[in-house]
Amino acid sequence: DQQVKQNSPSLSVQEGRISILNCDYTNSMFDYFLWYKKYPAEGPTFLISISSIKDKNEDGRFTVFLNKSAKHLSLHIVPSQPGDSAVYFCAASAIYNQGGKLIFGQGTELSVKP
Amino acid sequence: DTGVSQNPRHKITKRGQNVTFRCDPISEHNRLYWYRQTLGQGPEFLTYFQNEAQLEKSRLLSDRFSAERPKGSFSTLEIQRTEQGDSAMYLCASSLVTGGSWRANTGELFFGEGSRLTVL
Repeated sequence: DQQVKQNSPSLSVQEGRISILNCDYTNSMFDYFLWYKKYPAEGPTFLISISSIKDKNEDGRFTVFLNKSAKHLSLHIVPSQPGDSAVYFCAASAIYNQGGKLIFGQGTELSVKP
Repeated sequence: DTGVSQNPRHKITKRGQNVTFRCDPISEHNRLYWYRQTLGQGPEFLTYFQNEAQLEKSRLLSDRFSAERPKGSFSTLEIQRTEQGDSAMYLCASSLVTGGSWRANTGELFFGEGSRLTVL
């Protein structure tokens, strides 16, 4: 069963515009959500996170929104830059209930065109 | 470099052979995770250790797979009698989880660059 879903395998955005990546989850025990970025031939690197007690977290050009009632989160990148082109993974964790392991979505490949 | 280190980076083997991957986590981290990633998918959890204790194994981890972390530092993942379906990127990650409030544990995992397995 896919507990974390990213339904868009790819997204193409013009440089300077907003990129919105979406993620849905099914397990109500998840209490921490993270976004990872992955370049080819590299491991995933942490980008931004949000705990279940918040609905928004911002870090520079990156903002993550959490809608617990809808079990949905999104990552906004504004303005998008060509260097943002990568695969983005949404991940969820139930720190005290499931050992802190991360459950990942399938990923969305973002392409930012100059 | 004090990040997570994985070796070898790429392994090509014939079906039926055994392979072993090594992971050296960030030195002060007490948790170590193994994930597997196939093309077009996100990393899938395989197993994790708290210090030297293996606390959870995924159903994905058949009895051909074994992982160890004997001294609570580096870890090995061995795959016996490899099959073509084992071809994947094997990712190791580590984290530090304290006994403090949950806010001290961000859930962030630090990943290595992975070990790619190709089974012919």
